[in-house]
Amino acid sequence: DTGVSQDPRHKITKRGQNVTFRCDPISEHNRLYWYRQTLGQGPEFLTYFQNEAQLEKSRLLSDRFSAERPKGSFSTLEIQRTEQGDSAMYLCASSPLYTEAFFGQGTRLTVV
Amino acid sequence: DQQVKQNSPSLSVQEGRISILNCDYTNSMFDYFLWYKKYPAEGPTFLISISSIKDKNEDGRFTVFLNKSAKHLSLHIVPSQPGDSAVYFCAASASFGNEKLTFGTGTRLTIIP
Repeated sequence: DTGVSQDPRHKITKRGQNVTFRCDPISEHNRLYWYRQTLGQGPEFLTYFQNEAQLEKSRLLSDRFSAERPKGSFSTLEIQRTEQGDSAMYLCASSPLYTEAFFGQGTRLTVV
Repeated sequence: DQQVKQNSPSLSVQEGRISILNCDYTNSMFDYFLWYKKYPAEGPTFLISISSIKDKNEDGRFTVFLNKSAKHLSLHIVPSQPGDSAVYFCAASASFGNEKLTFGTGTRLTIIP
């Protein structure tokens, strides 16, 4: 069991560029979540998948953000036309049904 | 609106003593509560949880207490050890299915040797 894996660990991008993050959940975990954490705050829910279906999206997830989980395995989170306010730690988590979520180490995004 | 509040940003405790971390919530729909621990440069790690049908759950040195009428929960760590130094997040969910966690802002616990 290798845990939840996120790639890259760090990303620096210029404002206006697009970025994509990848999350590989623990194998056979049905649920996959994306959270965002800014300095001094707790993680904030963005979206979650059950298998390949995206079941809920936060209003924090503007139309510049899109997440996918093709075939119910890994997931990607894309941010288009990045803004400085997008700078944050993006956390992925996975879980089987009806149990606690296991988090990855996160991707730290810095928009300059 | 901050639905889950951790009003103490930091706490220092002598090694071997009890650490008590507090959390308040405002949403009456929350019925499942969790504590996560986070070290620098790592993701949060699950510690312990409690459902609203209980008022106490214990796991080794960690005990979580829930007071539903006061909308308050606390995490007790006894005895505190240096490895417990971390940021602790309280989180709540409106269902045991745990689809969406609402986190507090965290409390940084420092254990003094």
